[in-house]
Amino acid sequence: EGQLVESGGGLVKPGGSLTLSCAASGFSFRTYDMNWVRQAPGKGLEWLSYIRSSSGAKHYADSVKGRFTISRDNVKSLFFLEMYGLRDDDTAVYYCAREMAGTSGFDLWGRGTPVLVSS
Amino acid sequence: ETTLAQSPRFVSATPGDTVIISCKASQHIDDDLNWYQQRPGEAPIFIIQEAKALVRGIPPRFSGSGYGTDFTLTINDIQSEDAAYYFCLQHDDFPYTFGQGTKLEIK
Repeated sequence: EGQLVESGGGLVKPGGSLTLSCAASGFSFRTYDMNWVRQAPGKGLEWLSYIRSSSGAKHYADSVKGRFTISRDNVKSLFFLEMYGLRDDDTAVYYCAREMAGTSGFDLWGRGTPVLVSS
Repeated sequence: ETTLAQSPRFVSATPGDTVIISCKASQHIDDDLNWYQQRPGEAPIFIIQEAKALVRGIPPRFSGSGYGTDFTLTINDIQSEDAAYYFCLQHDDFPYTFGQGTKLEIK
């Protein structure tokens, strides 16, 4: 069925950078589109970014466009979220999520990695 | 952007009760809506696909309905293990959006 495990979260100062990773196992990673989602403390979930299986198409939420970059390594079954110019309101738990075929939403999620942006 | 208005935000139920959670979309999204369950500290679990299809392995006391703009998640015969946060997701178009979530407490 598969597993996703996020890593790379932590404490970072405003304006700083951080790269999150998501390790996929138990399924054919190269055939799936992937997403990043976050949840700020006390808030609902927010979709951030999508990347197609072949790394062709990418989409971003307006709140992170130009600051975050999604990428993947299909050989190593990893995908990434590079975050730049971090702000206090980027503080959240960040989740990776597998997309079902035909952009049908997410069928597998990781447990999340926390990011705290604070001076 | 499609917004999803989910209600109620909090519900308390007794084992054996039925709970209904609503998700209303700001525009027509066909049946491009999924439901998820999340317990604290755990990964979200996929429970309903395309508004009404029960995901394999999910107990049949969970059901979904709706099309277009109005959707519901119904949990019959509530069990103690159903205590969790429930949320809807629309995948009709980017940006994907979520409902604000519903916390289900079991008395």
